[in-house]
Amino acid sequence: AQSVTQLGSHVSVSEGALVLLRCNYSSSVPPYLFWYVQYPNQGLQLLLKYTSAATLVKGINGFEAEFKKSETSFHLTKPSAHMSDAAEYFCAVSRLTGANNLFFGTGTRLTVIP
Amino acid sequence: EAGVAQSPRYKIIEKRQSVAFWCNPISGHATLYWYQQILGQGPKLLIQFQNNGVVDDSQLPKDRFSAERLKGVDSTLKIQPAKLEDSAVYLCASIPTSGGADTQYFGPGTRLTVL
Repeated sequence: AQSVTQLGSHVSVSEGALVLLRCNYSSSVPPYLFWYVQYPNQGLQLLLKYTSAATLVKGINGFEAEFKKSETSFHLTKPSAHMSDAAEYFCAVSRLTGANNLFFGTGTRLTVIP
Repeated sequence: EAGVAQSPRYKIIEKRQSVAFWCNPISGHATLYWYQQILGQGPKLLIQFQNNGVVDDSQLPKDRFSAERLKGVDSTLKIQPAKLEDSAVYLCASIPTSGGADTQYFGPGTRLTVL
């Protein structure tokens, strides 16, 4: 069964500081992994996804994530936080075959301090 | 291209009442999902359609929830009767085919408050 665990329900960083949001996955086979962002009163928007190609994935808005099989991790990073990055971030895992719905983590709310 | 459309955006009802949500996916997208997102949690799948057939409804509380996608395009999710614990945001998403690597495109959601 697939699942993801996001460590830290709230993360605060100063503007210009490194953003690190943690995600660990559990899957019996190599999964597809996703990071979505949700701004207030909006739906989810894809930041980036891992689909078994390059282990370092670059996404929109300067975010990137590295798939580490040995650590079963897919942490999201951004070198320099911007005020507009304040939002809720969700890590998700998808099955490779069959019903391919996403299994989401509980989310991490990112606050950026000016 | 137009995104996933959902209506209404907000709904307030009393417990034991009925409510329906509507979703129009991106044109040409064969697969449609309904997710329930309770405050402070990640979205949880309720039902997945491919065209007008149900792929997965194992998490749908079938005693009170129902969903349909009759012509393989738009979809309706209904709750009858509603309970307090149904207060949540109901998200609709779609993808072009059925591949696990496909990006799911989400609508803005319907926020339901049950009093």
